[in-house]
Amino acid sequence: ETGVTQTPRHLVMGMTNKKSLKCEQHLGHNAMYWYKQSAKKPLELMFVYNFKEQTENNSVPSRFSPECPNSSHLFLHLHTLQPEDSALYLCASTSSGSRYNEQFFGPGTRLTVL
Amino acid sequence: AQTVTQSQPEMSVQEAETVTLSCTYDTSESDYYLFWYKQPPSRQMILVIRQEAYKQQNATENRFSVNFQKAAKSFSLKISDSQLGDAAMYFCAYRSARGNQFYFGTGTSLTVIP
Repeated sequence: ETGVTQTPRHLVMGMTNKKSLKCEQHLGHNAMYWYKQSAKKPLELMFVYNFKEQTENNSVPSRFSPECPNSSHLFLHLHTLQPEDSALYLCASTSSGSRYNEQFFGPGTRLTVL
Repeated sequence: AQTVTQSQPEMSVQEAETVTLSCTYDTSESDYYLFWYKQPPSRQMILVIRQEAYKQQNATENRFSVNFQKAAKSFSLKISDSQLGDAAMYFCAYRSARGNQFYFGTGTSLTVIP
């Protein structure tokens, strides 16, 4: 288990629900990411936060709303999702100042939209 | 944007044998990093090995080694003495030295046959 945790691990929601995904990193990193992982597709970068500031928004629909209150916590607020949004949502973190900048991943939240 | 291509959706290898996973990428940059990540079934994605583009020497981590061909933009992963625990999805990833964004391939599913 790495120093990146995600809750919940599984989530089933209807299209009219509102829910939030949470990510927390205990590695002292300053950059955090949300990815969407669907079968047979590359990881889709959704959002990047660097020192709590959003630096990337990869044309993500507004039904996904990120929040980064501090460098250790990242949220993804979900509302009025579509069935095609069902996927594994991965959180990752990295340190901008490190030499390699490899990402450390959380276990993911398996989201099913009915 | 950079693209990363993994042309082998699935591979299999006999236990104790050697297997090579392919990865090619497209970039106009000269300074970047390359990574191989492993995602076991229902488990977290973890870093296997990394390579700096300016280093000619191929990276090695125990049974894992890479064949980095910068001119050909190729970055293959060789797993020697394959073990059952090596069964997983393997993702090749690219990161520019100038930014925090990572680009991932579609992954190769590796099966290890006892």
